[in-house]
Amino acid sequence: KQEVTQIPAALSVPEGENLVLNCSFTDSAIYNLQWFRQDPGKGLTSLLLIQSSQREQTSGRLNASLDKSSGRSTLYIAASQPGDSATYLCAVRYNYQLIWGAGTKLIIKP
Amino acid sequence: NAGVTQTPKFRILKIGQSMTLQCTQDMNHNYMYWYRQDPGMGLKLIYYSVGAGITDKGEVPNGYNVSRSTTEDFPLRLELAAPSQTSVYFCASSYPTSGDHSYEQYFGPGTRLTVT
Repeated sequence: KQEVTQIPAALSVPEGENLVLNCSFTDSAIYNLQWFRQDPGKGLTSLLLIQSSQREQTSGRLNASLDKSSGRSTLYIAASQPGDSATYLCAVRYNYQLIWGAGTKLIIKP
Repeated sequence: NAGVTQTPKFRILKIGQSMTLQCTQDMNHNYMYWYRQDPGMGLKLIYYSVGAGITDKGEVPNGYNVSRSTTEDFPLRLELAAPSQTSVYFCASSYPTSGDHSYEQYFGPGTRLTVT
């Protein structure tokens, strides 16, 4: 069964710290992997998409890596800010369907 | 472009009632999807469509129906609402091009549904 797991479920860190969110998947035959941000009561915003042939993608202070063979992806956030507080979701694409992790709730303390 | 729009934003239903959640996209995307998100969980696929006139079941289709008569619209129908259908519903669309952003999904703001 294709499953996606995100650890930790919640994380609270002081402002300014660099941090890493983890995503693991059981089936390595992926097309791509997406990281999303979800603010309370809001929709989802796509942050980064990594194709199966890529190792990493960067956008501003965000860097996502992909290790397909080990079934892992990480989202690195540099110099965290209170505005980064949100739930971060990882989704893995198999064909045109996405399998989702349950998310990591991130709180950045001022 | 408005992107993906959903109506209504909120709805309370009584058990056994029916309703239709509307979803429209103006990006000319072939693929459209309906997900539900329960508290503290990831999203689960209810139904998807790869083009007008074509729909298929996802992971949790029971209690729902869809239709896709146009490229733009993908309504989700709930028949005989049950408390287990209390959730947040998201509609998404994507395009199957090649390249870095193939099948990247764009989401609507969601519909928060409560069945009591």
